[in-house]
Amino acid sequence: GAGVSQSPRYKVAKRGQDVALRCDPISGHVSLFWYQQALGQGPEFLTYFQNEAQLDKSGLPSDRFFAERPEGSVSTLKIQRTQQEDSAVYLCASSLVSWVRSHYNEQFFGPGTRLTVL
Amino acid sequence: SQQGEEDPQALSIQEGENATMNCSYKTSINNLQWYRQNSGRGLVHLILIRSNEREKHSGRLRVTLDTSKKSSSLLITASRAADTASYFCATDGTSGSRLTFGEGTQLTVNP
Repeated sequence: GAGVSQSPRYKVAKRGQDVALRCDPISGHVSLFWYQQALGQGPEFLTYFQNEAQLDKSGLPSDRFFAERPEGSVSTLKIQRTQQEDSAVYLCASSLVSWVRSHYNEQFFGPGTRLTVL
Repeated sequence: SQQGEEDPQALSIQEGENATMNCSYKTSINNLQWYRQNSGRGLVHLILIRSNEREKHSGRLRVTLDTSKKSSSLLITASRAADTASYFCATDGTSGSRLTFGEGTQLTVNP
C-alpha cells in the first residue's frame, strides 16, 4: 500500500516484558515521527528522525524507550521492561522532506499500534 | 503537557446541522492544523492554516485563526453521519517540526 504501515496493530505484554513496534513509512519520506496517544487524549510527541539521524528524542518518557531508524526507512520503537502506564496507542507518521521553518510538509499517520500492558 | 485545548470535549448534533469546534494554544506557532481520527484508526489531515492567515476553506470545512487570542475554530457545515469522529487541532511551533496536539473533540452526528 501507499500509506504508512505499523505492526503489530495490537500488542498485549506482561509487565516487565520488552516490546518492539515497527513503522514502515511512505517510501521516500525523509522525516519520521513517533507519537504516544493515551486513551481519550491527543497524541504526544516522542521522537523525530530525519533519515537515519534521530534529531529530537526529548519526548521519550524514560530511558526504557528507545527508537532507531538505521537505514533511514523502517523505524522501530522499543520499550524495555514495560509498565502499565506504557499502555497507549503508538502512532508513527512520516513526511516527505525535512522541516523548513517557512514551510510545512504534511505528516501522514499510520493506523497505530495499541499496546496493552497487563 | 498538551499545548492545545479543544472545546467542547464532546458534541452531538443531527445530520445536516453545522458543527463548531474550538481550539486554544499557548505559545507562538508556525501553522495550525486540524486532524480527524476515526475510532481505532490513525489521524487524517484535514486542513492547515498558517500563522499569517485568518480564514481558510476546504469543501465543507472552514477554519479560522486568531493569533491575538491564540485560538482557532473548525466549522463543519451540513454535517453527515460519516463525520462522526474525534477532531484534534495541532500546532507546530517556531523551533521544530514536532506537532503538539490538543485533547480533541468527539463529534457524533446522528442520522
